[in-house]
Amino acid sequence: GAVVSQHPSRVICKSGTSVKIECRSLDFQATTMFWYRQFPKQSLMLMATSNEGSKATYEQGVEKDKFLINHASLTLSTLTVTSAHPEDSSFYICSASPVTTNTNEQFFGPGTRLTVL
Amino acid sequence: AQSVTQPDIHITVSEGASLELRCNYSYGATPYLFWYVQSPGQGLQLLLKYFSGDTLVQGIKGFEAEFKRSQSSFNLRKPSVHWSDAAEYFCAVGPVTGGGNKLTFGTGTQLKVEL
Repeated sequence: GAVVSQHPSRVICKSGTSVKIECRSLDFQATTMFWYRQFPKQSLMLMATSNEGSKATYEQGVEKDKFLINHASLTLSTLTVTSAHPEDSSFYICSASPVTTNTNEQFFGPGTRLTVL
Repeated sequence: AQSVTQPDIHITVSEGASLELRCNYSYGATPYLFWYVQSPGQGLQLLLKYFSGDTLVQGIKGFEAEFKRSQSSFNLRKPSVHWSDAAEYFCAVGPVTGGGNKLTFGTGTQLKVEL
């Protein structure tokens, strides 16, 4: 149980285009989903917290107009990187916190490798 | 402010040897502590978690961790390392209750296993 998927697993795009990454909780409902960014050989950097049906809360320094997050249902959150540039190339990981838990356990997706040419 | 320190960036052990990965945390209330493992190009897998009860917790893949409140530590251990344990290990801390609160991660420890 508690499986989180991400799609796509890898994406290559041209500079200036937009890319959408999906995060799905497959066997549970998630009140809250989190989006992280990870640079090579570094820890996870939290970008934003999204709650179903409301606006995402972005961490300091994260451009909300560039990284659009939508959490339209209890099983799906999307991250759209708008007008992507090479510096946006990174490994993006989502996680989900089940509705049924009163603790802060998060289940992580397998990540999406974004390369912007 | 909460923080997590993993003092060892890299650790190399021989297969079959014992392992201890250190984690120290700073948190203003009762913490909920986690250890995650990440293989290259993959997401994070939960190894074990602790927020109450027996301070020695057992996890998957033969790992265990001991919570020591007096030392603000939550070190991860394994009696005999396998080559497949080579990966990045992250310690994380968050609030015990409330649901949906963000976690604070350490910088990670890269484990290499020599055959």
